[in-house]
Amino acid sequence: GAGVSQSPRYKVTKRGQDVALRCDPISGHVSLYWYRQALGQGPEFLTYFNYEAQQDKSGLPNDRFSAERPEGSISTLTIQRTEQRDSAMYRCASSQTPSSTQYFGPGTRLTVL
Amino acid sequence: AQSVTQLDSQVPVFEEAPVELRCNYSSSVSVYLFWYVQYPNQGLQLLLKYLSGSTLVKGINGFEAEFNKSQTSFHLRKPSVHISDTAEYFCAVSELLHNAGNMLTFGGGTRLMVKP
Repeated sequence: GAGVSQSPRYKVTKRGQDVALRCDPISGHVSLYWYRQALGQGPEFLTYFNYEAQQDKSGLPNDRFSAERPEGSISTLTIQRTEQRDSAMYRCASSQTPSSTQYFGPGTRLTVL
Repeated sequence: AQSVTQLDSQVPVFEEAPVELRCNYSSSVSVYLFWYVQYPNQGLQLLLKYLSGSTLVKGINGFEAEFNKSQTSFHLRKPSVHISDTAEYFCAVSELLHNAGNMLTFGGGTRLMVKP
């Protein structure tokens, strides 16, 4: 596909369960970013990768959140022991180079019951 | 640290009227500036960006924005809106960290509601 894709588009889980959110960037894009968007707010930075290396994870809220991009392409954001406050839209973006324009995927809407 | 303030959470406007969505930012270093639009049930789409050069930037769908360094503003304008412009608009900044990543800091968003 031509754009960034994310799966699943919607995820409903029970408190305490682990979830894995997937991002498939535009082919050949070096950089990949994760953001979280609460209802009625703008996206907030979580973490980003250049190729397979995680460059900055300062936005991850706590150690229940982790991300990986083992082959420099697809990335997975994992949330362990989910809590209701984790409910949000999780957005992924990729860019051709570290300093170029970011293109966003459709997001994954996570609801923790 | 950088921050972005979108002064209006909602802007109602009649079709064919002009509109301005306000954005102010703060940063201790030079920044790139962006406007993204989010249509219902869709992802964020880039409207326009300011990197350097002319302070008046033209984007898609007839939108334009003007970078004002002294007022640290980057307001978005359109001379005549359409019903299809109804969406959420986000202003964003990133610091100039060459080859070190382009973390975006977003404002809270402005919901543009175009009425017939």
